[in-house]
Amino acid sequence: EAGVAQSPRYKIIEKRQSVAFWCNPISGHATLYWYQQILGQGPKLLIQFQNNGVVDDSQLPKDRFSAERLKGVDSTLKIQPAKLEDSAVYLCASSVPWGGREETQYFGPGTRLLVL
Amino acid sequence: QQQVKQSPQSLIVQKGGISIINCAYENTAFDYFPWYQQFPGKGPALLIAIRPDVSEKKEGRFTISFNKSAKQFSLHIMDSQPGDSATYFCAASMYNQGGKLIFGQGTELSVKP
Repeated sequence: EAGVAQSPRYKIIEKRQSVAFWCNPISGHATLYWYQQILGQGPKLLIQFQNNGVVDDSQLPKDRFSAERLKGVDSTLKIQPAKLEDSAVYLCASSVPWGGREETQYFGPGTRLLVL
Repeated sequence: QQQVKQSPQSLIVQKGGISIINCAYENTAFDYFPWYQQFPGKGPALLIAIRPDVSEKKEGRFTISFNKSAKQFSLHIMDSQPGDSATYFCAASMYNQGGKLIFGQGTELSVKP
């Protein structure tokens, strides 16, 4: 079974530029999560989708971050404009719907973003 | 109330020893407590998880001990091996919040040969 795919793996940009990250979840996983992991900290949920609907985006800085999940499969996370404090690893995870018995979240390798 | 506090921040253990990592939570509505293991350059991977209706769960060398009254849970790694060297995160979630995980700050474990 293929895992969660993310690209790019690394990105370096200057502040005020824009950047986009892509995630392809495990086939059949309806729920998709984007987490931000700052160096030395645990991942923090930014947004959660079930199919193509948003379940939770309470911690997404909506003035600069946006995310979409077209057709309930792939997802993109965008930052515009980026700030220095956005330097982090952006992790995508997927799982079967939370209403089911399986709650394991499967994480991708992440995209490491450095904002200069 | 949504926080999960993890300690220690770093841990050095000799090969064959026992590694113990502790977590504490405040929100009694949490009903699922997983531990994730993360190697450098990789995403976290589920190691073991427990629900509050049991006090202990063991899978191989990994054991979760859960104390509901104290709102604490811990990970024990028996016979620690150099290959266990990684960062470990505890987490918590509640059923009515769609599986959203609240992670602890992480513990960097180093097992010396």
